[in-house]
Amino acid sequence: DTGVSQNPRHKITKRGQNVTFRCDPISEHNRLYWYRQTLGQGPEFLTYFQNEAQLEKSRLLSDRFSAERPKGSFSTLEIQRTEQGDSAMYLCASSLVAGDYNEQFFGPGTRLTVL
Amino acid sequence: RKEVEQDPGPFNVPEGATVAFNCTYSNSASQSFFWYRQDCRKEPKLLMSVYSSGNEDGRFTAQLNRASQYISLLIRDSKLSDSATYLCVVNSPTGRRALTFGSGTRLQVQP
Repeated sequence: DTGVSQNPRHKITKRGQNVTFRCDPISEHNRLYWYRQTLGQGPEFLTYFQNEAQLEKSRLLSDRFSAERPKGSFSTLEIQRTEQGDSAMYLCASSLVAGDYNEQFFGPGTRLTVL
Repeated sequence: RKEVEQDPGPFNVPEGATVAFNCTYSNSASQSFFWYRQDCRKEPKLLMSVYSSGNEDGRFTAQLNRASQYISLLIRDSKLSDSATYLCVVNSPTGRRALTFGSGTRLQVQP
């Protein structure tokens, strides 16, 4: 399968714990994005990387959130001291820089439940 | 006002019907536009990009009206398998490369 992959697919944690998610983009894609989606809403942008550089962070990305893409390949998203409001689907997408149309392809997501 | 607005539906239509979804966006400098499809508890999947001249892919036709900041999606001869949420998506320019999603329009095609 050459699509975007994410691990784990589901994560249940207790409030206050730290969690880390991983995303492996499509191999030739140089841009990688993280989004968060809650029930009944469209995905909301969190942050994106071009190669290993983190170029933009949303206001949604509080100090408890950190993302890395150390070698310009896979990325990790860590949430420290989780809160119940962090419960959501965390989606990763990747794209190839080419022209004006930034077509992004999504992974299956990591569903986080904070108890 | 939301950056991308859609009628949430649901749209309940019989098989074989033609259904149209509309979407408006607020940033007049937006450069690229898409429709994504999302099945329940799955990831969004790119359905089609929307070009200025309009474009068609089989039973699906997308139109863009930049003057009115309006995007549409027409589905002809609806199939049961078209039941999903359709997300209108805009890529704003200048530095911000993220996609901005509408909340989606839910379609239920009934036998």
